[in-house]
Amino acid sequence: AQTVTQSQPEMSVQEAETVTLSCTYDTSENNYYLFWYKQPPSRQMILVIRQEAYKQQNATENRFSVNFQKAAKSFSLKISDSQLGDTAMYFCAFMGGTYKYIFGTGTRLKVLA
Amino acid sequence: ETGVTQSPTHLIKTRGQQVTLRCSSQSGHNTVSWYQQALGQGPQFIFQYYREEENGRGNFPPRFSGLQFPNYSSELNVNALELDDSALYLCASRGGGEAFFGQGTRLTVV
Repeated sequence: AQTVTQSQPEMSVQEAETVTLSCTYDTSENNYYLFWYKQPPSRQMILVIRQEAYKQQNATENRFSVNFQKAAKSFSLKISDSQLGDTAMYFCAFMGGTYKYIFGTGTRLKVLA
Repeated sequence: ETGVTQSPTHLIKTRGQQVTLRCSSQSGHNTVSWYQQALGQGPQFIFQYYREEENGRGNFPPRFSGLQFPNYSSELNVNALELDDSALYLCASRGGGEAFFGQGTRLTVV
């Protein structure tokens, strides 16, 4: 069975600085997707970034980038130039052949002014 | 906005009652899945529907059931509510790639 582990329940970062959120996962599948979702107090799950496992190149979306290490089953999220609006819960998620999401327990990120 | 709409946004029910939650999928999406998110936890997969047929189920008892309609909207039904059913229920629709989530229904069982 697939599992997703986020070992940092809470993190904080100063505005304009960089922070990295960690995620590890376990699977026996070779083809899968990994995601980072942001959930602000409004509860809406917002896709931050996605990574296809077959792609070696790390995904980047503006200030957000990932470090995908397939052999180590690691998928960290780096947020550069942190903004107050980045304050939210961040969930790492795995999607394999069944197309269901397996979520981690989340990391609460607080950006400090 | 993701184009996925859930109703109602909040709901309070009494233990033992039944509840129906609704989800309107994003246009063109034929797959809908439901997740339960307890307070302080990540969402847990309940089940998934593809073209009106259930094609995957998580570790939830049979009192959690669902429907998907020809227009790909969906319902989640929970019978014999228990206090532990109190959670945020998220609907997600998918047309091929990643899923798009609704804003959720906050269910409180008292």
